Amino acid sequence: GAGVSQSPSNKVTEKGKDVELRCDPISGHTALYWYRQSLGQGLEFLIYFQGNSAPDKSGLPSDRFSAERTGGSVSTLTIQRTQQEDSAVYLCASTEAGGQETQYFGPGTRLLVL
Amino acid sequence: SQKIEQNSEALNIQEGKTATLTCNYTNYSPAYLQWYRQDPGRGPVFLLLIRENEKEKRKERLKVTFDTTLKQSLFHITASQPADSATYLCARASNTGKLIFGQGTTLQVKP
Repeated sequence: GAGVSQSPSNKVTEKGKDVELRCDPISGHTALYWYRQSLGQGLEFLIYFQGNSAPDKSGLPSDRFSAERTGGSVSTLTIQRTQQEDSAVYLCASTEAGGQETQYFGPGTRLLVL
Repeated sequence: SQKIEQNSEALNIQEGKTATLTCNYTNYSPAYLQWYRQDPGRGPVFLLLIRENEKEKRKERLKVTFDTTLKQSLFHITASQPADSATYLCARASNTGKLIFGQGTTLQVKP
């Protein structure tokens, strides 16, 4: 595609429910990153994929958070048993090969946990 | 710990003036720094990258400097316009490419 796309653009859920957030990277980009941006906070790294493997998961805040990537393309970030503190904008970015390159960001998914 | 810091206070300037935003880093020496622009409700958009051996990089009305002695990068927008109003983010990349961002500085250019 022309750019990184994410869905849904907005998600409202109740505390305790599971949510899935989707990211479609730029076609051909092998590296994919997830970030989280909370109100008043900076962007924080969550997880990095190279192809279908995740060599860096160091930013996942708890075991309620998981992510997978299939076919070296689409990635899904899953949050189980959501908590109010999970409310944030979840951003996805991709690069051609990973490493220290310019990242192309999607528009984000705005998650609100009530 | 390794930190990258930006002035979290909003910067308000008059149209036509030069805006200068600051990015400071501590406890490490990044090989390069990246600058991104973020508009409300959107993801960050890459603007400029400057390497440690480059003193200055320019792109149209944008200029970035990198002072490894002061451990600081400055981001300048000359002849600023109201359309330049946004949040500007400074970031460094780890070897895997994950970006560590500063808090961002919000710029408001008044007509």
